[in-house]
Amino acid sequence: DVQLLESGGGLVQPGGSLRLSCAASGFSFTSYSMTWVRQAPGKGLEWVSVISGNGATTYYADSVKGRFTISRDNSKNTLYLQMNNLRAEDTAVYYCAKGSSGPDYWGQGTLVTVSS
Amino acid sequence: DVVMTQSPLSLSVTLGQPASISCRSSQSLVYSDGNTYLSWFQQRPGQSPRRLISKVSNRDSGVPDRFSGSGSGTDFTLKISGVESEDVGVYYCMQGTHWPRTFGQGTNVEIK
Repeated sequence: DVQLLESGGGLVQPGGSLRLSCAASGFSFTSYSMTWVRQAPGKGLEWVSVISGNGATTYYADSVKGRFTISRDNSKNTLYLQMNNLRAEDTAVYYCAKGSSGPDYWGQGTLVTVSS
Repeated sequence: DVVMTQSPLSLSVTLGQPASISCRSSQSLVYSDGNTYLSWFQQRPGQSPRRLISKVSNRDSGVPDRFSGSGSGTDFTLKISGVESEDVGVYYCMQGTHWPRTFGQGTNVEIK
């Protein structure tokens, strides 16, 4: 069974940094692009970033470009999202998901709260 | 960016009655490979999103056949042939053709 387990969320002050992780299992990790999607409290889904299977290609939403970095360690079947210079509007549940054009499996999410 | 516009944003349906959600994109979602990357997701209260439909009309494994997707180009529809209580939640369309990927605003489905 495909499993995606996010971790690393928490409370951080504005301007701070956080690194999210997503441990994947149950599929050939290197064969798939991976996506981060976030959801602010009570709001809809917002696509954040994607990385190709070999890590060579990445894309970002304008709202996070220059502040967030997506990466992956295929030897560990793990996806990452390094988030720097965090703002209050980055407060959200962050989901990792398998695939790019229409992610078919999603994790349970990890909550990031940016507040002083 | 491609804007995805869903309607209605809220739907109150009697059990067993049909429901329909529209999703329109600001650009054609036909990709150079000939596929149209339009997906539908269901998010039940307190749960993660779950994909129901990919590439306009391909139902995912385990998705009841009362869910169906249709459309082409810029105009797409998700239909539920007879709403059941477990269908309560928010439904999103998402385009996977253009960068950045974008979601519709979501449609909240409740039981009347």
